[in-house]
Amino acid sequence: GENVEQHPSTLSVQEGDSAVIKCTYSDSASNYFPWYKQELGKGPQLIIDIRSNVGEKKDQRIAVTLNKTAKHFSLHITETQPEDSAVYFCAPGRGGGNKLTFGTGTQLKVEL
Amino acid sequence: GAVVSQHPSRVICKSGTSVKIECRSLDFQATTMFWYRQFPKQSLMLMATSNEGSKATYEQGVEKDKFLINHASLTLSTLTVTSAHPEDSSFYICSAPQQAGGTIYFGEGSWLTVV
Repeated sequence: GENVEQHPSTLSVQEGDSAVIKCTYSDSASNYFPWYKQELGKGPQLIIDIRSNVGEKKDQRIAVTLNKTAKHFSLHITETQPEDSAVYFCAPGRGGGNKLTFGTGTQLKVEL
Repeated sequence: GAVVSQHPSRVICKSGTSVKIECRSLDFQATTMFWYRQFPKQSLMLMATSNEGSKATYEQGVEKDKFLINHASLTLSTLTVTSAHPEDSSFYICSAPQQAGGTIYFGEGSWLTVV
């Protein structure tokens, strides 16, 4: 099955700095690459996604970049704020993209 | 936007009893829904795929007789944990794609505690 890893597992940044989380996956058939934010005790919330025919996508302070050849994609958060503190998961999918495999998660802490 | 809702958000049950968790797509129809389980400080693990009008497909290692899934309508899937044990205590989360191959939305999750 799909093996999905994230790095780093924990990330602490100062408010205003940028944060980058990398996700590596093993299934070359994956064609859907979302990032989810999960706050404590809540379900995952989609923050950005990208499909395999696109290399980069940006939405305000959040961006995702994809390298299909190397089988990794990254989440970029600029101008971090305390409310960005949460656990972030990548969850690549294949086929219709409906069946996702979640990564190991990254705990992001934005300090004042 | 598309919303997926779960009920109950929290439930406590006694060992040996059964508990049902509902997952609803509120403003779209979902022929497929997914059930995940998440233990504290761990990632989400896919348990099964719920298919409207047909049997659910379970991931390897998930007991289909213990985790009963029913997808009776295009907006509702239910997960019933039968003969619950303390080790079944976990955070159960469902998801649904807004359309085939489309964005996947997650419910708020349901905390199950078996005492």
